Amino acid sequence: NAGVTQTPKFQVLKTGQSMTLQCAQDMNHNSMYWYRQDPGMGLRLIYYSASEGTTDKGEVPNGYNVSRLNKREFSLRLESAAPSQTSVYFCASSLGAWTEAFFGQGTRLTVV
Amino acid sequence: QKEVEQDPGPLSVPEGAIVSLNCTYSNSAFQYFMWYRQYSRKGPELLMYTYSSGNKEDGRFTAQVDKSSKYISLFIRDSQPSDSATYLCAMKGGAQKLVFGQGTRLTINP
Repeated sequence: NAGVTQTPKFQVLKTGQSMTLQCAQDMNHNSMYWYRQDPGMGLRLIYYSASEGTTDKGEVPNGYNVSRLNKREFSLRLESAAPSQTSVYFCASSLGAWTEAFFGQGTRLTVV
Repeated sequence: QKEVEQDPGPLSVPEGAIVSLNCTYSNSAFQYFMWYRQYSRKGPELLMYTYSSGNKEDGRFTAQVDKSSKYISLFIRDSQPSDSATYLCAMKGGAQKLVFGQGTRLTINP
């Protein structure tokens, strides 16, 4: 049982480049989330999708876009990467909105 | 003031010790309380989940909620080196967003 799968696991980007982080869950969950984790800042919510077809901004949405492709998949796009976006990104899913969340293994992104 | 405050540590204790991890919060609407464990370079995993006040025990782990003081705790008995991780508290009220603490980095020394 894979749970929440994120790709890639590691990525180095140059400033100004774009990329998409992929996330898929196989638990038939309705809600999905993107967080970033930085030292001393804890987990901060970037965007979330309470249900298929809906997306909403979280605490730190600037510089990001998301797509809820279907019930299983929720992608995060950086259109023009900046060094401030260097972080570890976690995708999570839950059966209902804001119920117990299950996390992926994370994507370590460095922007140089 | 942050809605959830958690001492980031680091906290280092000898093997076999009782560990107490704590969070305080300011939002009186919070009713659901969770503890996540995060090993180095891994995603957080749900460890304990409690609703409202009281205690919940699972093996060596006990989660305690005191809503009157807006204070939650996680106790680890007979701590093991494998318990070394970062522990994050999380909480919410009703349909509100889940709010995470900063995380406490714990090391159990053999």
